[in-house]
Formats: sequence, structure tokens, C-alpha cells
Amino acid sequence: GQNIDQPTEMTATEGAIVQINCTYQTSGFNGLFWYQQHAGEAPTFLSYNVLDGLEEKGRFSSFLSRSKGYSYLLLKELQMKDSASYLCAVRGTGFQKLVFGTGTRLLVSP
Amino acid sequence: DAGVIQSPRHEVTEMGQEVTLRCKPISGHNSLFWYRQTMMRGLELLIYFNNNVPIDDSGMPEDRFSAKMPNASFSTLKIQPSEPRDSAVYFCASSLMLPRQAASGANVLTFGAGSRLTVL
Repeated sequence: GQNIDQPTEMTATEGAIVQINCTYQTSGFNGLFWYQQHAGEAPTFLSYNVLDGLEEKGRFSSFLSRSKGYSYLLLKELQMKDSASYLCAVRGTGFQKLVFGTGTRLLVSP
Repeated sequence: DAGVIQSPRHEVTEMGQEVTLRCKPISGHNSLFWYRQTMMRGLELLIYFNNNVPIDDSGMPEDRFSAKMPNASFSTLKIQPSEPRDSAVYFCASSLMLPRQAASGANVLTFGAGSRLTVL
């Protein structure tokens, strides 16, 4: 089976940096994804990691350690529009089957 | 491209009624996924198709749920009879899986706007 854990909620201040952690246990591993979901909207793709290390994309970075079953999403220079849920998802042995965590709701305050 | 199109956006129905949700994937995509999202359980994969063929339906909760994909541009998810615990947002997503990506590669899912179902 697959188990993905994320904190339920986090708060941060505009301009700050926040790190959202994700731990997983899966049968097989074929990549980890981060999606952003604003309230009432569809999830949208943010980042993908399949090898260990850091992937940087503008203000957002994602890190993966396969041996530890651990990933984090780093958001820099936070903006109010970054208030959303952030979903960690893992592709296990089924190459197309993407299993999502329950998401971390991030609230950015002024 | 118009993206993944779902209908209806909202549906309110009474327990016991049949519900049909519809999805048009992005043109050229060969994989289609149905997810259900609730506060308690998050996003759960119900079923997915590759080249119109159901590959994994292990997430379909009960026999009351069925899904079809008669062609590359259309899929339905049907609930009959519906129950209050089926209330959720149902998302359809599509992607393009190329053969060389089978073992790796960012097979990115594009989601539709979702269908919010309320069963009274």
C-alpha cells in the first residue's frame, strides 16, 4: 500500500520562507509531484522529482530524498496569492497511478 | 486548448437518484483519471484509463459506481443509486503518457475544474 503524510495546516507571513514537508511509504517509487490547489479550484502542477536533490523553479523549490522517503516544497518571498493547499503525490509501482496526500493548507498573512 | 472540461459543475440530487458526471480530456492525451476529493480523505483515485481501456478500478468504492470511456474524447462516471456519503468534488484529469516515459518522466496530470456533488 501507500501512505503519504503532510502537515494539515501552516501559517506564514508575506515575504517569508516556508517549508512544507512530505513523508511517504510506497511499494515502488517512480516520482514525486507537488500540486497547488486554491480553494474551489482544480489542482495545478508545481514540481516533479524523481532523483535525489533539489529542483528549483523560480520562487518554488522541491527536494527529494528517496532513501528517507522524504520531500519538501520550499516557497520563498511569500505572497498573499500563495495561500492555498499544497498536495504531495507519489507515483508508485503503477507508472500512471498518482496517489495524493491530504494536502497542507497554507495561510499567508500580511 | 480549452483544457479538461467537466460537467456539470454543480449537482444537487436526492438519495437514490442516478448521477452522471462527464469529462472531455485534452485533445491528444491518452490517459484519463477520475478522482474524488473530500475534506476527510483528500484526493482519492477512483479509476484510470489508458487509450480508452480501464487499467485500474481498485479505487471505485462500490458497485454503485461505474465509469466508461467510449472514445478518446469522452468519459462518464455514474453513481446509481446515489447516497449522501457520495457528496464530494469529483475531478477528471488527463495526461499524455509516452512509451519512453513508462519508467520515469513527469507524466503531469491536468485537472478539470471539478463537479461538486451534493446528495441529500
